[in-house]
Amino acid sequence: AQSVTQLDSQVPVFEEAPVELRCNYSSSVSVYLFWYVQYPNQGLQLLLKYLSGSTLVESINGFETEFNKSQTSFHLRKPSVHISDTAEYFCAVSPIRAGGFKTIFGAGTRLFVKA
Amino acid sequence: GAGVSQSPSNKVTEKGKDVELRCDPISGHTALYWYRQSLGQGLEFLIYFQGNSAPDKSGLPSDRFSAERTGGSVSTLTIQRTQQEDSAVYLCASSPSGTDYGRVGGYTFGSGTRLTVV
Repeated sequence: AQSVTQLDSQVPVFEEAPVELRCNYSSSVSVYLFWYVQYPNQGLQLLLKYLSGSTLVESINGFETEFNKSQTSFHLRKPSVHISDTAEYFCAVSPIRAGGFKTIFGAGTRLFVKA
Repeated sequence: GAGVSQSPSNKVTEKGKDVELRCDPISGHTALYWYRQSLGQGLEFLIYFQGNSAPDKSGLPSDRFSAERTGGSVSTLTIQRTQQEDSAVYLCASSPSGTDYGRVGGYTFGSGTRLTVV
């Protein structure tokens, strides 16, 4: 079985400050790792994914994550946030196995960027 | 269509009534998922359809919940005898293939149906 824990339910931060949203997971099998973002009144959108290869993954809007297999963590970071980054962020894992699967999501972290 | 379409966007119903929520996935996506997002909680998996295979219903919370997918496309989630604890946002997502997930990666979500049971 898999589980995902997002360690912070809310993260307030000032604009242009760095931010880290923490995510730990547990799984008895190898998994793919994802971060999704949900802007106010919108659906979830895929932010970035880790499938294999380099442990550092970057998205197109400045977020990055580093997969740490030994610590089973997949924290999301951004060196300088903008007001527009205010949203809820979900990390998620999907077990790598044949025959289909379901993705397990964390409870979400609400990032609030203040001017 | 261009994205995953869900209807209605909002539904208010009286306790004890039945409701149907509709999801129209991206054309050609063979995998379809239903999740429930309750206030302050993460996304709770409900059910997963992959092509013509038997659906994975392991997340349905009770026998009041059921879902079907007709013709490998549109899906309907039905909640019978609704209860107040059913109030949540019901999200549908699709992906090109459940078994090829690793190469394509990620779901496309609809905007959800906000269900309020009064």
